[in-house]
Amino acid sequence: DQQVKQNSPSLSVQEGRISILNCDYTNSMFDYFLWYKKYPAEGPTFLISISSIKDKNEDGRFTVFLNKSAKHLSLHIVPSQPGDSAVYFCAASAFETSYDKVIFGPGTSLSVIP
Amino acid sequence: GAVVSQHPSRVICKSGTSVKIECRSLDFQATTMFWYRQFPKQSLMLMATSNEGSKATYEQGVEKDKFLINHASLTLSTLTVTSAHPEDSSFYICSARNSNYNEQFFGPGTRLTVL
Repeated sequence: DQQVKQNSPSLSVQEGRISILNCDYTNSMFDYFLWYKKYPAEGPTFLISISSIKDKNEDGRFTVFLNKSAKHLSLHIVPSQPGDSAVYFCAASAFETSYDKVIFGPGTSLSVIP
Repeated sequence: GAVVSQHPSRVICKSGTSVKIECRSLDFQATTMFWYRQFPKQSLMLMATSNEGSKATYEQGVEKDKFLINHASLTLSTLTVTSAHPEDSSFYICSARNSNYNEQFFGPGTRLTVL
């Protein structure tokens, strides 16, 4: 049973426009969420995170929104740049019940078209 | 951010041999390291959690006798794939946790190909 879902396997966006990557989760115990970016044949790199006590976190061009009641979060990238083309993984953890363990979604491949 | 290295980056071996992959935290002490496996076009699957000085905790379905994990120091964890078979071919990634419990730093990964 997939606890973290990213229902869009791929997304194409024009350079300069907004990229919106979506993520849904099923485990209500998750209290910390992270987004990672991954290039082929490389390890993932941390992008941005959000605690369940917040509904928005912003870092430069990246903003993560959390809707706890809907068990949904999204990553907004604006403006999108060709270098943003990569696979983006949504991840979640539940500190109280599974300290340290991070569960990853299947990823969304983002292509930013120049 | 903190740096985590993995060695080797690529390895090709014959079926039946054992392969050791090293994961090092270069500029911080990692009390906990994690080993992930990624199949093509799939997500990262946690294999095991490795705590320094103690036995690793394996996820359900991961054979502990097949994937031997040793975390001998605060900067080094090793994953040994024993008696490797072609179905073990995959991309193996480690991560290390620093004092911020939810911050993990990932290594660059090791591509294992078993012939």
